[in-house]
Amino acid sequence: DVKVTQSSRYLVKRTGEKVFLECVQDMDHENMFWYRQDPGLGLRLIYFSYDVKMKEKGDIPEGYSVSREKKERFSLILESASTNQTSMYLCASSQGMGGKNIQYFGAGTRLSVL
Amino acid sequence: GQQLNQSPQSMFIQEGEDVSMNCTSSSIFNTWLWYKQDPGEGPVLLIALYKAGELTSNGRLTAQFGITRKDSFLNISASIPSDVGIYFCAGGGSQGNLIFGKGTKLSVKP
Repeated sequence: DVKVTQSSRYLVKRTGEKVFLECVQDMDHENMFWYRQDPGLGLRLIYFSYDVKMKEKGDIPEGYSVSREKKERFSLILESASTNQTSMYLCASSQGMGGKNIQYFGAGTRLSVL
Repeated sequence: GQQLNQSPQSMFIQEGEDVSMNCTSSSIFNTWLWYKQDPGEGPVLLIALYKAGELTSNGRLTAQFGITRKDSFLNISASIPSDVGIYFCAGGGSQGNLIFGKGTKLSVKP
């Protein structure tokens, strides 16, 4: 079974802090994704990566950056957390081209910024 | 950009009833996926569809890939309390990204 592990289920941070959300997958997938989920807005793509050291902006990249130094790990960074970044963050991974688009999700990190 | 319209937004039904939800788009997709998200968890894949007109079942769940490739539906028969959750459709193109609907929140009354 594919396993996508997010390092924290719950995080509480203060405004202005630098926040790291970590995600690891164990299926040698090429693609990794970060989404945020808010009530009524569904899943919105923040950043994705098709390969190590590669990153592409999604629909809402402002206020976020990412790092992919190893194939299995994709980190989401909030340089200076703000209260409007309080949300559920979901990491996902998928095979590369020909992998039939299926994304496998982690359990999510619920981040509260005070 | 591409958008999916998923309806209904929420459903409150009696245990044993059948459920139907759908997604439509103005764009064509190569793949339609249906996910379920339990409270406090990440989405889990239920059904994947790859061909226009394809009808696929997974237990009490049945989903179809619309013939125009712009829509899909999911049916749940004889609902039970553990069907509670949020159901998402997702359309996939050739680049590997998925476009997600906003979800259908299902509540089941015993």
